[in-house]
Amino acid sequence: QAVVTQEPSLTVSPGGTVTLTCGSSTGAVSSGHYPYWFQQKPGQAPRTLIYYTSKKHSWTPARFSGSLLGGKAALTLSGAQPEDEAEYYCLLSYSGAWVFGGGTKLTVL
Amino acid sequence: QVQLQESGPGLVKPSETLSLTCTVSGGSVSSGNSFWNWIRQPPGKGLEWISYIYKSGGTNYNPSLKSRVTISLDTSKNQFSLKLSSVTAADTAVYYCARGYEDWGQGTLVTVSS
Repeated sequence: QAVVTQEPSLTVSPGGTVTLTCGSSTGAVSSGHYPYWFQQKPGQAPRTLIYYTSKKHSWTPARFSGSLLGGKAALTLSGAQPEDEAEYYCLLSYSGAWVFGGGTKLTVL
Repeated sequence: QVQLQESGPGLVKPSETLSLTCTVSGGSVSSGNSFWNWIRQPPGKGLEWISYIYKSGGTNYNPSLKSRVTISLDTSKNQFSLKLSSVTAADTAVYYCARGYEDWGQGTLVTVSS
């Protein structure tokens, strides 16, 4: 089974920009992995921010964007807010079987 | 927006079968192009995809759990269900049901303990 890797933790200053990445043990991440990004706060269910690499839901704040970068899926947060402090998970599809990354704990400090 | 609610025992004994049901409201499990997921999260750990089922009944399973998992759909009750057999303490987790990955239930904690 593939392993999906994320930075364990990152810190960003309020108003700053940070990029979280999502890599695959099988090689470069592509749009064919249908990358998803989720935000999870303590005690809450995950909430989808980005799907299919870069598509946003109506509830996704405009400061979040998704892309492919250097063979990985990437989530960029531009203009971090205190409420963005959370755990972030990516999710990749491998021919219909899905694998979550281990999560990135993002601190806004 | 579709709402989902997990239900089932909060405590299961080792070696027994964990059974959970997800009741869907505000939408139908048999309409549209949605697939219906089970995902779990051990306390303090990350998310793990378990299985999904389409309205057609087509399924897919996490290879590491496949031998122990059964997912099913009950269109008459607008529900889908998860069975996980031969559970151990490692199966203790919050179990979430979801429509695709857009709409999630609140999750239900299942503890495996004697």
